[in-house]
Amino acid sequence: DQQVKQNSPSLSVQEGRISILNCDYTNSMFDYFLWYKKYPAEGPTFLISISSIKDKNEDGRFTVFLNKSAKHLSLHIVPSQPGDSAVYFCAARNGGSQGNLIFGKGTKLSVKP
Amino acid sequence: DARVTQTPRHKVTEMGQEVTMRCQPILGHNTVFWYRQTMMQGLELLAYFRNRAPLDDSGMPKDRFSAEMPDATLATLKIQPSEPRDSAVYFCASGAEGNTIYFGEGSWLTVV
Repeated sequence: DQQVKQNSPSLSVQEGRISILNCDYTNSMFDYFLWYKKYPAEGPTFLISISSIKDKNEDGRFTVFLNKSAKHLSLHIVPSQPGDSAVYFCAARNGGSQGNLIFGKGTKLSVKP
Repeated sequence: DARVTQTPRHKVTEMGQEVTMRCQPILGHNTVFWYRQTMMQGLELLAYFRNRAPLDDSGMPKDRFSAEMPDATLATLKIQPSEPRDSAVYFCASGAEGNTIYFGEGSWLTVV
């Protein structure tokens, strides 16, 4: 049973437009959420995070929104650039599990010039 | 430039052989994770350690997989005997107190 779901396996966006990646979760005990980006043949790299006490966190072109009542978070990238093309993983931390992260299956973003 | 270091980067082995993957966490990080990435399951947690003590290895097939931390600078993941279904990318990650963990570049395992 997947606790963190990324329902879109892929997303294609035009350069300069907004990319919106979505993530849903089922466990209300999750207290911290992260997004990782992964290029082929490399390990995932940390991108941005948000605590469950917030509803928005922004870092440059990247903004993460959290809707706790809907158990939904999203990552907005604006403007999108071709170098953003990668697989994006949503992850959630269970506050009671001492740091274990549970990952979604990822969404492959393609930004076309 | 602190990073998690994994060896080997690539390994092709025959079914039944023993495979050992090694990880050097970032200096000062006290939590070490082993994840496996497959097409079907995405990133799944196999085991993790805090201060070298195993906290959770419920994601690991116990009959053939074992994970250890002989010291604070080395974590190992061993598969014996290996099977074709073990073919995947194995990632090690480490973290300090807090929430962000940092991944190595992965060990690409192919069992034929």
